[in-house]
Amino acid sequence: KQEVTQIPAALSVPEGENLVLNCSFTDSAIYNLQWFRQDPGKGLTSLLLIQSSQREQTSGRLNASLDKSSGRSTLYIAASQPGDSATYLCAVREKGTYKYIFGTGTRLKVLA
Amino acid sequence: DAGVIQSPRHEVTEMGQEVTLRCKPISGHDYLFWYRQTMMRGLELLIYFNNNVPIDDSGMPEDRFSAKMPNASFSTLKIQPSEPRDSAVYFCASSRPLVSRYEQYFGPGTRLTVT
Repeated sequence: KQEVTQIPAALSVPEGENLVLNCSFTDSAIYNLQWFRQDPGKGLTSLLLIQSSQREQTSGRLNASLDKSSGRSTLYIAASQPGDSATYLCAVREKGTYKYIFGTGTRLKVLA
Repeated sequence: DAGVIQSPRHEVTEMGQEVTLRCKPISGHDYLFWYRQTMMRGLELLIYFNNNVPIDDSGMPEDRFSAKMPNASFSTLKIQPSEPRDSAVYFCASSRPLVSRYEQYFGPGTRLTVT
């Protein structure tokens, strides 16, 4: 059974720092991996999607990498800002289905 | 596009009552997903549809839960009878995987409280 874990569960950093969020999954037979952002009381917003054949994706200050063989993905946020404060979730899509398994999330707080 | 629309945004009901949550997916999307989010269990997939047909309902917790998609623009998640442990935020998401840049577009959620 696929399990997705995110470390750390919570993170507090001063504005301007570069930071890395981690996501690990137990079964490497995935179709893709997606990173989401969730603001308090809101739905999820897609940030980056990496196909299983890709190694990384970039969008602005965000860079996500995927190492399928080791079951790991990282989300790198450059020059963090208070507006980046939110919960970040990763999700893997299992191969052969459209079923998504979500991680436990990392709650990020960027201090001004 | 208006995005995924869910109603109501908040629902408070008493144990034993029937609850119906509603979702309107993004026009043209052919996949629809229902999720439940709690502090204890995180975000769990309950059921998903493709072209209005349920594909995987293995996440539906009990027979008290049922979901329907009578047409491409509307889906319901019903809980009957409701119990306090059903209190959670319920999200609907839609996608059109072969066309969309991202595979999951989420609605704002319905916060359900069962007393």
